[in-house]
Amino acid sequence: GNSVTQMEGPVTLSEEAFLTINCTYTATGYPSLFWYVQYPGEGLQLLLKATKADDKGSNKGFEATYRKETTSFHLEKGSVQVSDSAVYFCALRSSGAQKLVFGQGTRLTINP
Amino acid sequence: GAGVSQSPSNKVTEKGKDVELRCDPISGHTALYWYRQSLGQGLEFLIYFQGNSAPDKSGLPSDRFSAERTGGSVSTLTIQRTQQEDSAVYLCASSFKGDQPQHFGDGTRLSIL
Repeated sequence: GNSVTQMEGPVTLSEEAFLTINCTYTATGYPSLFWYVQYPGEGLQLLLKATKADDKGSNKGFEATYRKETTSFHLEKGSVQVSDSAVYFCALRSSGAQKLVFGQGTRLTINP
Repeated sequence: GAGVSQSPSNKVTEKGKDVELRCDPISGHTALYWYRQSLGQGLEFLIYFQGNSAPDKSGLPSDRFSAERTGGSVSTLTIQRTQQEDSAVYLCASSFKGDQPQHFGDGTRLSIL
């Protein structure tokens, strides 16, 4: 079946560090891929998405590229801020389906 | 309102009682989804509505769980004879169509004593 695997957290970094959160997936066909973020005390928000191979999603300085050959959608940011502290979820929606399949989430803490 | 609205935000009830959770989607969104977020299971899909129909109920964990949607808008998730393992945050999401990005509410935190 379809599944998403994220790097285990928690991840702790200093401000201005480079961030990578790994995400790999298993799916039939050509899924759409998403990163959602959950800030403390808030609901899930869509951060970025990509719908086909080699697409790059970007938002708020975050980027992720849909890599079909490695079935990956790693999240990156060049210089993190304290305000980026949150839980990040990688997710997929398989073609022809509507439900999202989520990874387990990665808690990120940025220290000043 | 501008976003997906869920009520109540918190619910504490005794084991064996029935509970109803409400979701008010973004106006004009035809697709509505319920998910559950728990410590042991992460974020799990429960059910998907397109209009008032539920073409995918595959995530409902048992026949104690049911959901309906009326008027293509508000949805209610009902859990009968609640068990402690039902304790979780229940999230509702909506999208303009089934293949569009999903927008989530803040969830209902359900605690079963």
